Amino acid sequence: GAVVSQHPSRVICKSGTSVKIECRSLDFQATTMFWYRQFPKQSLMLMATSNEGSKATYEQGVEKDKFLINHASLTLSTLTVTSAHPEDSSFYICSAREGQGTHEQYFGPGTRLTVT
Amino acid sequence: AQSVTQLDSQVPVFEEAPVELRCNYSSSVSVYLFWYVQYPNQGLQLLLKYLSGSTLVKGINGFEAEFNKSQTSFHLRKPSVHISDTAEYFCAVLPGGSEKLVFGKGTKLTVNP
Repeated sequence: GAVVSQHPSRVICKSGTSVKIECRSLDFQATTMFWYRQFPKQSLMLMATSNEGSKATYEQGVEKDKFLINHASLTLSTLTVTSAHPEDSSFYICSAREGQGTHEQYFGPGTRLTVT
Repeated sequence: AQSVTQLDSQVPVFEEAPVELRCNYSSSVSVYLFWYVQYPNQGLQLLLKYLSGSTLVKGINGFEAEFNKSQTSFHLRKPSVHISDTAEYFCAVLPGGSEKLVFGKGTKLTVNP
């Protein structure tokens, strides 16, 4: 149980275009989802926290207009990178938490974004 | 602010040798502690967690960790490693009352034949 999927696993896009990454909880309802960014050989950096049906809370330094997060249902959150630039190239990982008061986050397999 | 220190960025060991990956955290308040493993180009998999109770926690793949409150440490151990344990290992802390995991910078474990 507690499986989180991400789609796509890899994506290449051109500068200036937008790309959407999906994060799904497959066998549980995720009241909270988290989006992380990981640079090569570095740790995970939390970008934002999203709760179903409400606006995402972004970490300091993360542009909310550039990284649009939507958590429209209890099993789906999306991250849209708008007007992508090469410096947005990174590994994006989502995680999901089943309910309030639970401590464990279940991580997706990640999405490798390359902007050319 | 909470911080997590993984003292070793890289740990090379030979197959069947024991290994310890060190993790220290800064918070003096109650915390929950986690170890995750990441294989290349994959997400994170939970190895084990400490929420409360026994300070010795056993996880998957033969790993265990010991919570030491006085030393604010949560070191990960395995008595005999395999080639397949080669991966990046992350220690993470969830401060009490927070929903945000704080990660260490990771330790790259390389198991050599």
